[in-house]
Amino acid sequence: QVQLVQSGSELKQPGASVKVSCKASGYSFTSNGIIWARQAPGQGLEWMGWINTDTGNPTYAQGFTGRFVFSLDTPVSTAYLQISSLKAEDTAVYYCARKVWGVYYFDYWGQGTLVTVSS
Amino acid sequence: EIVLTQSPGTLSLSPGEGATLSCRASQSVSSSFLGWYQQKPGQAPRLLIYGASSRATGIPDRFSGSGSGTDFTLTISRLEPEDFAVYYCQQYGSSPYTFGQGTKLEIK
Repeated sequence: QVQLVQSGSELKQPGASVKVSCKASGYSFTSNGIIWARQAPGQGLEWMGWINTDTGNPTYAQGFTGRFVFSLDTPVSTAYLQISSLKAEDTAVYYCARKVWGVYYFDYWGQGTLVTVSS
Repeated sequence: EIVLTQSPGTLSLSPGEGATLSCRASQSVSSSFLGWYQQKPGQAPRLLIYGASSRATGIPDRFSGSGSGTDFTLTISRLEPEDFAVYYCQQYGSSPYTFGQGTKLEIK
């Protein structure tokens, strides 16, 4: 069965970096893109962008350029989200999800990773 | 950017009743590329509906979606206790692929 398993919660100081992993299983990793979404405490969902798992090409939504980097380790079917120069407002749950081929809705989601930025 | 506005913000109903949730887009959503997700506290979103009206795998038939253009509806007939959650619509017709702010369906 399709599963996306994310790494555990992180507590980071302002200015630090964090790398969240998303390990896929149960399907051919390069057949479906991986998207990233953010959910700030008590808020709704925000699409951050996606990475083409076949080409490695990332696409970032406005507001998620510069400090946010999507990457892959294809041999281990894992996608990564790295955030640098962390700010308090980056505190959120970050989700990865599988993008359905050819369209941009998301049929399987990771369990989410809470990133807390606090001194 | 297409802005999705969901209403009502909170809907209080009893198990067994029917629910109607609305999602209005600031401009037409091409090809009815509109999805609905359910999110329970502490859990990831779950895909319910895609293409405005197609149920995702394993979704009970008490969930149905309808609409086109700028107005979309999620209908839940005969609410079960496990249906009380937050529901989000999402358009994927044009980038950025935006979500609505959510409707909380709570037990009355």
